[in-house]
Amino acid sequence: EPEVTQTPSHQVTQMGQEVILRCVPISNHLYFYWYRQILGQKVEFLVSFYNNEISEKSEIFDDQFSVERPDGSNFTLKIRSTKLEDSAMYFCASREDAGSTEAFFGQGTRLTVV
Amino acid sequence: RKEVEQDPGPFNVPEGATVAFNCTYSNSASQSFFWYRQDCRKEPKLLMSVYSSGNEDGRFTAQLNRASQYISLLIRDSKLSDSATYLCVVNILPFSGGYNKLIFGAGTRLAVHP
Repeated sequence: EPEVTQTPSHQVTQMGQEVILRCVPISNHLYFYWYRQILGQKVEFLVSFYNNEISEKSEIFDDQFSVERPDGSNFTLKIRSTKLEDSAMYFCASREDAGSTEAFFGQGTRLTVV
Repeated sequence: RKEVEQDPGPFNVPEGATVAFNCTYSNSASQSFFWYRQDCRKEPKLLMSVYSSGNEDGRFTAQLNRASQYISLLIRDSKLSDSATYLCVVNILPFSGGYNKLIFGAGTRLAVHP
């Protein structure tokens, strides 16, 4: 069964450092998303991406965040200067279309900022 | 008002019990609806989509009331393996098109005990 894959599974970084989280969505999917989940809290929408551009972003997705699809298969989330409060599980998701189809989630990257 | 609200739980039930979860949503641009299941420290996985006519999948029944902006999930004959957090998820897709995003409720924890 096709799946969304994310790397690394766990990343520890020092405050102020840049991190790049990587995702390989399902190959025929057109819509891509990043979500985050702080430990013990809800899954929060960060950004959606379609046709090689951001289609929507949340208030959380400020200038420190950026997304890219550099080569047609990888979908990356960059955090330029990490803060302690960026520590969370980051989930990538992809969907075939924007309507009624389900979103498939990767297994997540646990980011720990120290 | 939160976009998607759920009973926080936890629900502690014995094996074999029937349990019902409720969810309300506030955005009238909500187009499609899902129940996801999330095990501890894992990614969300689709349990079932929710259709206007109501739908059933084995022991699970989902209902949608668009007029009341209310979604429910009924689990019959609970199993130990049903223990998880159940996430109510709403797809926001404005009629004007463009962006779309899945918005998650905070989740309802279910613990099934012997």
